[in-house]
Amino acid sequence: EPEVTQTPSHQVTQMGQEVILRCVPISNHLYFYWYRQILGQKVEFLVSFYNNEISEKSEIFDDQFSVERPDGSNFTLKIRSTKLEDSAMYFCASSEGYRGETDTQYFGPGTRLTVL
Amino acid sequence: DQQVKQNSPSLSVQEGRISILNCDYTNSMFDYFLWYKKYPAEGPTFLISISSIKDKNEDGRFTVFLNKSAKHLSLHIVPSQPGDSAVYFCAASARTQGGSEKLVFGKGTKLTVNP
Repeated sequence: EPEVTQTPSHQVTQMGQEVILRCVPISNHLYFYWYRQILGQKVEFLVSFYNNEISEKSEIFDDQFSVERPDGSNFTLKIRSTKLEDSAMYFCASSEGYRGETDTQYFGPGTRLTVL
Repeated sequence: DQQVKQNSPSLSVQEGRISILNCDYTNSMFDYFLWYKKYPAEGPTFLISISSIKDKNEDGRFTVFLNKSAKHLSLHIVPSQPGDSAVYFCAASARTQGGSEKLVFGKGTKLTVNP
């Protein structure tokens, strides 16, 4: 069964450093997403991406964040200058796009980002 | 901002009995609702969904009920099995102009099924 994969599973970085989180969405999917979950809190939407551009982004997704689909398979989230409060689990998700009334997002296993 | 609420942080049931997990929402624009199951250190796994034009969807042991007038949905698991023990997230979405859908999640309910 196709699945979303993410690398690395755990990333430790120093405050102020840049990190890139990588995702390989399901191959025939057209929409890609990043979410995060800070420990003890809800899963929160960050950004959605379709046709090589951002479809929607949340207030969290400020200028420190960027997304890219550098080739036909990878989808990346870059944080330019990490802050302590960026420590969280980051989940990538993908979906086929609407074929009727509904669409389902499938999530990867997550990357745990720890900012020291 | 609690557009999706799961008011029970935990639920404990006996193996073989029914588990009922509840979820309330406030945004009337939501038109698609999903349940995800999550184990520690893993990503959310899609379980079952329901469109706002339906009031029930069933898949094996899992049934989701939607009451639009009450803005309430529930997930029924019958019979419950120890392997069902996990955190269950309710999520909702409304189709955006961009065509994508951002999911709004509840805080989750930790289900424990005792042998």
